[in-house]
Amino acid sequence: AQSVTQPDARVTVSEGASLQLRCKYSYSGTPYLFWYVQYQRQGLQLLLKYYSGDPVVQGVNGFEAEFSKSDSSFHLRKASVHWSDSAVYFCAATLTGNTRKLIFGLGTTLQVQP
Amino acid sequence: GGIITQTPKFLIGQEGQKLTLKCQQNFNHDTMYWYRQDSGKGLRLIYYSITENDLQKGDLSEGYDASREKKSSFSLTVTSAQKNEMAVFLCASSITGNNERLFFGHGTKLSVL
Repeated sequence: AQSVTQPDARVTVSEGASLQLRCKYSYSGTPYLFWYVQYQRQGLQLLLKYYSGDPVVQGVNGFEAEFSKSDSSFHLRKASVHWSDSAVYFCAATLTGNTRKLIFGLGTTLQVQP
Repeated sequence: GGIITQTPKFLIGQEGQKLTLKCQQNFNHDTMYWYRQDSGKGLRLIYYSITENDLQKGDLSEGYDASREKKSSFSLTVTSAQKNEMAVFLCASSITGNNERLFFGHGTKLSVL
């Protein structure tokens, strides 16, 4: 069955530290991949997306993600986090690009400590 | 830019009550969605609509009705609220339904007494 797994429910890092949030997918082919962020009491906002080509994609606010076909992963990274990055991050995927078939992971709550 | 407005922001209901949540978008997007967000369960699709008067069931449609009478609005009805139910309902829209990012509203938080 198709699935998206975010193995870490909660991640805590210090301000200025580097960050990696993990995402693994299980699909029979190569899906379209997304990272969304949800700040407190707000809706989700798109951070970045991968369709094809360069496996490293750049997003907003210094975030980037790397697609790995061999590892079935799409991990999110940031070189230096800021306290305002504290939020819930969702990885999502759809095999055909059909947004109606988008599957979300359970989310990772990021807490950035001062 | 556009905006998605969900009303109400907070909704408190009684067990067995029919409750309606509303969503308006001014992006002029064709496709609209309703998701349910539960703690520890991520987002699950309840209903979506690809155009005015169209309705398509998602994975979690049982217990819900939806209505898309205008392109700009999409409402969701909880047909019979369950005791102690607590969830956030998120409305979203996209230009079409293919390869497009979703734009989300801020959500309606439902609590059932």
